[in-house]
Amino acid sequence: AQSVTQLDSQVPVFEEAPVELRCNYSSSVSVYLFWYVQYPNQGLQLLLKYLSGSTLVKGINGFEAEFNKSQTSFHLRKPSVHISDTAEYFCAVSGGPYNFNKFYFGSGTKLNVKP
Amino acid sequence: SQTIHQWPATLVQPVGSPLSLECTVEGTSNPNLYWYRQAAGRGLQLLFYSVGIGQISSEVPQNLSASRPQDRQFILSSKKLLLSDSGFYLCAWSVLGGEQYFGPGTRLTVT
Repeated sequence: AQSVTQLDSQVPVFEEAPVELRCNYSSSVSVYLFWYVQYPNQGLQLLLKYLSGSTLVKGINGFEAEFNKSQTSFHLRKPSVHISDTAEYFCAVSGGPYNFNKFYFGSGTKLNVKP
Repeated sequence: SQTIHQWPATLVQPVGSPLSLECTVEGTSNPNLYWYRQAAGRGLQLLFYSVGIGQISSEVPQNLSASRPQDRQFILSSKKLLLSDSGFYLCAWSVLGGEQYFGPGTRLTVT
């Protein structure tokens, strides 16, 4: 089974500063990768996804992520954060086209953007 | 476009009472359906998933059960709630090779 590691449980950052949220997964076989955002008392919203193709993926709200197969990583970045980006972010992996039923989530990273 | 509904939005139930949470999806056919739970300050725990009507896979042994009586309906149930069942319950759907889409969630408090 896959495992997903988000090393940082909380990331404080000042407004307009850049941020990187780290995600590593366990398997080097073909996978699909996702980042979700969750605001308090709401469901998860898809930020971006990597299915195939370019390793640099752009998503909503100015976020992007880079797939690194050799390091089994999928770090999320934003060059300049806003107060409204304060939320919890989850990295997720599915087994790709041959094991699409299950998704594995990291434990989440709480991003706290300070004025 | 696709939409996923969950109800109720919040629920307060006493220990030992039954539970029924419902999830329905609109705008897609034969989706994979999932139930997750988030305990306070914790990540997502996959409880059940279903690839078709009547097909349920259980991920964690517990006093909860799930059913899929119709293609786009997924129900989470319990005969007797425990305090440890408190949490935020999320329903999600996906299609072959794609991402998951989540419902708005149900906040369950067992007292």
